[in-house]
Amino acid sequence: EVQLVESGGSLIQPGGSLRLSCAASGFTFSSYWMHWVRQAPGKGLLWVSRVNTDGRSTSYADSVKGRFTISRDNAKNTLYLQMNSLSVEDTAVYYCATMTIRPARAFDIWGQGTVVTVSS
Amino acid sequence: EVVMTQSPATLSVSPGERATLSCRASQSVSSNLAWYQQKPGQAPRLLIYGASIRATGIPARFSGSGSGTEFTLTISSLQSEDFAVYYCQQYNDWPPYTFGQGTKLEIK
Repeated sequence: EVQLVESGGSLIQPGGSLRLSCAASGFTFSSYWMHWVRQAPGKGLLWVSRVNTDGRSTSYADSVKGRFTISRDNAKNTLYLQMNSLSVEDTAVYYCATMTIRPARAFDIWGQGTVVTVSS
Repeated sequence: EVVMTQSPATLSVSPGERATLSCRASQSVSSNLAWYQQKPGQAPRLLIYGASIRATGIPARFSGSGSGTEFTLTISSLQSEDFAVYYCQQYNDWPPYTFGQGTKLEIK
């Protein structure tokens, strides 16, 4: 079964740091770009970041650039998101997702999400 | 950045009727557009990619059309399980990949 399982979300104070993980199974993780997408409470979807297959190329939304770092470990089939200098605006459900339908770049596989709450 | 605008924000339709949802891009995205369905407490599910290609396992009552800047998602005969929030997303000009703000499809 194709699966993405996120973990690491929690309640964190403003200015703090958190690392999210996403464990992949059921597909060849190392062959696909991986992404993080977030959804603030009651709001829409916002793409956060992506990493290419070997981890050497990354992109970020302007709102997280310089604070968040995406990475991957293909040996462990795991994606990461290191989040620093967190603010209340980063409160959201964070989903990892990937695009396996080529050449389309639509997110066809999603995790169930992990909740990050930034509050004092 | 390509801005995606969906309309209406909320659509009230009776079961068995047709629903038509719209998505407009601030610049041409060719056919590089996807539609997603999201139910409360769940992750989004891909319905349509390439503007009109149904993803695996998606019922034929879902159809997508359009190209350039104007797109439509049509649900031909609404079932109870179709009431949800729908998002469009462009993948023509990235980063960033951008989503519309969503259309909530509710039971009339």
